[in-house]
Amino acid sequence: AQSVTQLDSQVPVFEEAPVELRCNYSSSVSVYLFWYVQYPNQGLQLLLKYLSGSTLVKGINGFEAEFNKSQTSFHLRKPSVHISDTAEYFCAVSQTGANNLFFGTGTRLTVIP
Amino acid sequence: NAGVTQTPKFQVLKTGQSMTLQCAQDMNHNSMYWYRQDPGMGLRLIYYSASEGTTDKGEVPNGYNVSRLNKREFSLRLESAAPSQTSVYFCASSFNTGTRGWNYGYTFGSGTRLTVV
Repeated sequence: AQSVTQLDSQVPVFEEAPVELRCNYSSSVSVYLFWYVQYPNQGLQLLLKYLSGSTLVKGINGFEAEFNKSQTSFHLRKPSVHISDTAEYFCAVSQTGANNLFFGTGTRLTVIP
Repeated sequence: NAGVTQTPKFQVLKTGQSMTLQCAQDMNHNSMYWYRQDPGMGLRLIYYSASEGTTDKGEVPNGYNVSRLNKREFSLRLESAAPSQTSVYFCASSFNTGTRGWNYGYTFGSGTRLTVV
């Protein structure tokens, strides 16, 4: 079975500063990895995904993530955040060939003016 | 706009009442899912339907039933609501397994906020 750990439940950061949201997963088989963003009172939107190939994945809104198989991590980064990035971010994992996504508990990113 | 539509958006129930949450998608997706979101617990899968005519239990199925009415619609029923079922419920859909499915990921509805008193 897979599990996803997001160690930081809340991350405050000043506007235009860099940010990293951490995600670690556990699985004994190959996985697909995802980051979703949820703005207040909305559903989840796909930010980026890793299926195969290059371990550095670029997504929307200037976010990127790096798949590190040896450390079983998929951390999300952005070099300079904006007020509009304030949201909750969820890391998710699925086994290759499976049909279900397992979500982490989420990290609330608050960008401070 | 194409997407996943959930109704209602808000609902208050008394303990023991029943209700059905509706979900419809117009993207010709094969698979549909029901999640619940609780503070500090992320999203947990209640039930899913990999294709029309099939349904399977997820992580937290107790107290719920589902119906995959057709390819477009997947409903979630609470037969006898309990305060522990107070949550935000999300429906999602996707193409089936394989690269095509995961390239597009899941599409989520905007959620139903349910309070059981």
